[in-house]
Amino acid sequence: NAGVTQTPKFQVLKTGQSMTLQCAQDMNHEYMSWYRQDPGMGLRLIHYSVGAGITDQGEVPNGYNVSRSTTEDFPLRLLSAAPSQTSVYFCASSRGDTDTQYFGPGTRLTVL
Amino acid sequence: GENVEQHPSTLSVQEGDSAVIKCTYSDSASNYFPWYKQELGKRPQLIIDIRSNVGEKKDQRIAVTLNKTAKHFSLHITETQPEDSAVYFCAASFSGTALIFGKGTTLSVSS
Repeated sequence: NAGVTQTPKFQVLKTGQSMTLQCAQDMNHEYMSWYRQDPGMGLRLIHYSVGAGITDQGEVPNGYNVSRSTTEDFPLRLLSAAPSQTSVYFCASSRGDTDTQYFGPGTRLTVL
Repeated sequence: GENVEQHPSTLSVQEGDSAVIKCTYSDSASNYFPWYKQELGKRPQLIIDIRSNVGEKKDQRIAVTLNKTAKHFSLHITETQPEDSAVYFCAASFSGTALIFGKGTTLSVSS
């Protein structure tokens, strides 16, 4: 089991560029989430999904899009990158809402 | 929106002392409360969790208590060791779907 994987590990973008952060899990988990982590701000929920075809907004969804076409994958799209989106992004998955949530290794994104 | 408050933001203890971190939550429907430990440059890792039908749970040197009436829960680490130094996050389930996290506590254990 690879668990939760994320690509890329590091990325540098220019303001206005778009990109997709990839997240995949091989544990057949229904629940998947995206968080961003900034110094002193903890982990803030961006978007989440409770199953294929179902997504919803979290605490800080503006500037990000998600889709969930398969159980395994949950990509996060930045439509037009801004310096305020410089952060570390974590993807996570769990079997259910009261089950252990497993995190991926993270993607460190810098927007210049 | 839903909110999880965590205190203190930093905590320094001597090796062998106990450490206590406290969290409060706003969603009365929350029923799952995990605690994560994050070492520098690494992903958060679950260390203990508690569900709303339980008031206390222990795992060796770590314990968590839950007071649903007051909407607060706490992490207790006894006999702290230098390797306990890390950032600790509490979280609460949100609408039965995702987790909302506190801002974290940086624990430093000096020998």
